[in-house]
Order: sequence, then C-alpha cells, then structure tokens
Amino acid sequence: TQLLEQSPQFLSIQEGENLTVYCNSSSVFSSLQWYRQEPGEGPVLLVTVVTGGEVKKLKRLTFQFGDARKDSSLHITAAQPGDTGLYLCAGRGAGSYQLTFGKGTKLSVIP
Amino acid sequence: DTGVSQDPRHKITKRGQNVTFRCDPISEHNRLYWYRQTLGQGPEFLTYFQNEAQLEKSRLLSDRFSAERPKGSFSTLEIQRTEQGDSAMYLCASRWGDTEAFFGQGTRLTVV
Repeated sequence: TQLLEQSPQFLSIQEGENLTVYCNSSSVFSSLQWYRQEPGEGPVLLVTVVTGGEVKKLKRLTFQFGDARKDSSLHITAAQPGDTGLYLCAGRGAGSYQLTFGKGTKLSVIP
Repeated sequence: DTGVSQDPRHKITKRGQNVTFRCDPISEHNRLYWYRQTLGQGPEFLTYFQNEAQLEKSRLLSDRFSAERPKGSFSTLEIQRTEQGDSAMYLCASRWGDTEAFFGQGTRLTVV
C-alpha cells in the first residue's frame, strides 16, 4: 500500500504570510496531484506534476515535485482568506489505476 | 459539459435501508472512480471502472457495497443494509486515459 503523509495537518496563519505544506512518501509516484477542497464540496484539481524536480507556478502557489518523485511541496506566497481550505495531495503509482490521497492540510487564513 | 455530476447531493437514511447514488462522468471519460471521505480524512479509494469493466475494488468495499457502470457512461453505487459507519461523503471522479482526474461535488450520506 502506498501511503502519502501530509504535514502539517492544521495550519492557521495571518493574511499576507507565506506558508509551505508537505507531502511525503516512501514510494515512487509516476505523477502527483494537488487538490483544494472546501467543506461539503468535492476536491478541485490545482496542478499535476510528473517529472522529478519539476516546479510549477500557479499565481501565488508554487508546487515542487521531488527529484526522486517521492515527495512534493506546495508553497503559498502572501496568503489570502480565499486560500482557506483543505489541501490534498494524491499520487498515482506506476502501473496503478487508483489515486492514493494524503489526509490533507487544513489551512485557515485569518484576515 | 459541466463536469462530473453526482446525485443526490445529500441523503439521510435509516439504518438498515438500501441507498443508491449516481455519478455522471465528463463525456467520453473512459475511467471512473468512487471514493469515500470521512470527516478529517482524505478520500479513500473504493473502486475503479475502465469503460464498463470494474477493474479494481478496495477491501473497504464490503459485500454490502456494489457498483456498476453498465454502458460505460454513468455509474451507480449501492449500499445495502446501511450502517452508521457508512456515513460519509461519497465522491466520484473521471478521467480520460492518464490525464488528470476531475471530481464531482459528492453525495453526503447520513445514516441515522
């Protein structure tokens, strides 16, 4: 079973601060996705990273895939209240159909 | 196409009753997934379809759970003899080949 550990589990910060959340595994993933989920809704895809060492930027969000494709990070610059939500990472192993999810990081950005 | 659609959005049922949920994937997406998510947890994989074939089932999918995708388009997930532990958000996702998976808004099940 491939496991994804996300940290921190909870994060509460002031508007304007920067933050980083982590997604780690002992397994290699062929691709890794980051989702944001709001209460009562399904996860919404933010980005997919495929290549080891890959860095993708989405406005104030920067995603990085580890060289060994076992870990990933999400960095948010100048957080805003609209960034509040549950951030989930999900990985797909080679030859596997399913996406394995971490437990998520619950982010609260206080105005 | 407006994305993955799930129905109903909310379902309250008495323990012991049967419930059925429906998922309409994005048109022409050949792969369809069901996940279950409880409070404070990430989604847990339940089952996977490629077209109409159910290719993978999680151990979480007990004998009371059954899923179908008869024509390779929409899918249904049925839970028989519901238990309080079945209360969760049931999520459906679809994708074309190895492209990104897109999720529906989920069905929130409450068993009382």
